[in-house]
This record gives sequence, C-alpha cells and structure tokens, in this order.
Amino acid sequence: GAVVSQHPSWVICKSGTSVKIECRSLDFQATTMFWYRQFPKQSLMLMATSNEGSKATYEQGVEKDKFLINHASLTLSTLTVTSAHPEDSSFYICSARPTGTTKKAQYFGPGTRLLVL
Amino acid sequence: AQKVTQAQTEISVVEKEDVTLDCVYETRDTTYYLFWYKQPPSGELVFLIRRNSFDEQNEISGRYSWNFQKSTSSFNFTITASQVVDSAVYFCALSEAGGYQKVTFGIGTKLQVIP
Repeated sequence: GAVVSQHPSWVICKSGTSVKIECRSLDFQATTMFWYRQFPKQSLMLMATSNEGSKATYEQGVEKDKFLINHASLTLSTLTVTSAHPEDSSFYICSARPTGTTKKAQYFGPGTRLLVL
Repeated sequence: AQKVTQAQTEISVVEKEDVTLDCVYETRDTTYYLFWYKQPPSGELVFLIRRNSFDEQNEISGRYSWNFQKSTSSFNFTITASQVVDSAVYFCALSEAGGYQKVTFGIGTKLQVIP
C-alpha cells in the first residue's frame, strides 16, 4: 500500500530556532500534500495545502511566514517552523494524495513531535 | 462549511463489551467522503474506512461495523467484543469530493477498554 514517511519523528529545539520537517511519499507521486497540527488531546487541524510547483494554500489563522512550506518535487514536501516558540510544540502530521488516480484516498505520515524549549 | 461532531469525548468499556462511537457531520456538498481513523498512543493515524456519500450500505469488517445514515447525517462506528488493543482515540472525518479534498476531523473519542 501507499506509504508516507516523515522525518524527523521527534525533534527538540530551543526557542528562536527553525525546524524543518520532511514529508515523503515513498511509492507514489503526490501533487498535493497536506499539513496538519494536533495539540495534546485535541483533534487534527489542517494548517495548509501544499501543491507541487506552486505556493501553498494556508488555512485561516495560520501564519504563512512562520510555517514555510516547500513542495519541490512530487514526492517531497517540507514544513519549516521558523523562529519556533514553546507554543509551537505540537504533533505535526502530513498526508499525501496520489497523483493521477480517481481514488480519493489520502495517506497519512506517522507524524513528527516537536518540542520547543 | 464542513463540521464533524463526536459528542463522546471519552468512553470506557470492559473487555468483550460492544461499543458504538457516534459521529454526526455537516456539509453542503452533495458528494463527500467519510472516514474513521484510529490513533493509538504512538500517534500514527490508522485508516479504518472510507465511505462515499452515495453508498449507504452498512459495512462490516471483522469486529468493526459502520452505520451510515444520510437522513440523520450520521456515520457511527461499532466495535463488537472489544479488546484491550482497541484502546485508542478514534477520529471521524469528512472530506469534500472536489478540489483539494481537504479533510475535516472531529475532536475524537478516546476509547479505553478495561481488561
């Protein structure tokens, strides 16, 4: 089946630093990828839709200058949390939708836990 | 706007009991998709089922069954003879059919199965 990986799975950083999270579709191409954030004991909230070769579409209330998304290839999207602060500590999950298929499936990555000290 | 409501935030059952997790959704789309995901303590989302809005047949997969009722906008999930390994947070989700197919998640129901 379709596999999506995320790297790193865990990251601890100091406040003010930037952190990059990678989302890769391992056995399929994905024109569209999604980034979600999940705070403890809360639901997944869509942050942005990442489109290969074009700018990401951000959900209302998500700062695009803080959460930089780059979808440089059909198998890789990256989320960079710039100048991270403790309130950015969360579980970040990506999903990928296969290109060129009529199936409406999205495949989720295993998530990345970010802790900002 | 799309909305998914999971009224039960936490449920505890004793092993071997049956349990139903409720999900009610709102959408203006005529074509949409409904999902259930399991999220164990490790955090990884486990896909359980996807159902399109035109298919109202109930589905059974082992101990899992789903009851989709368009008339009441509900997509309930039943686990029969629950097991400790079923303990997790379960999310109901709704996706638009066109466009980028953004997924809207419910708040989740935490299920604890007590041995």
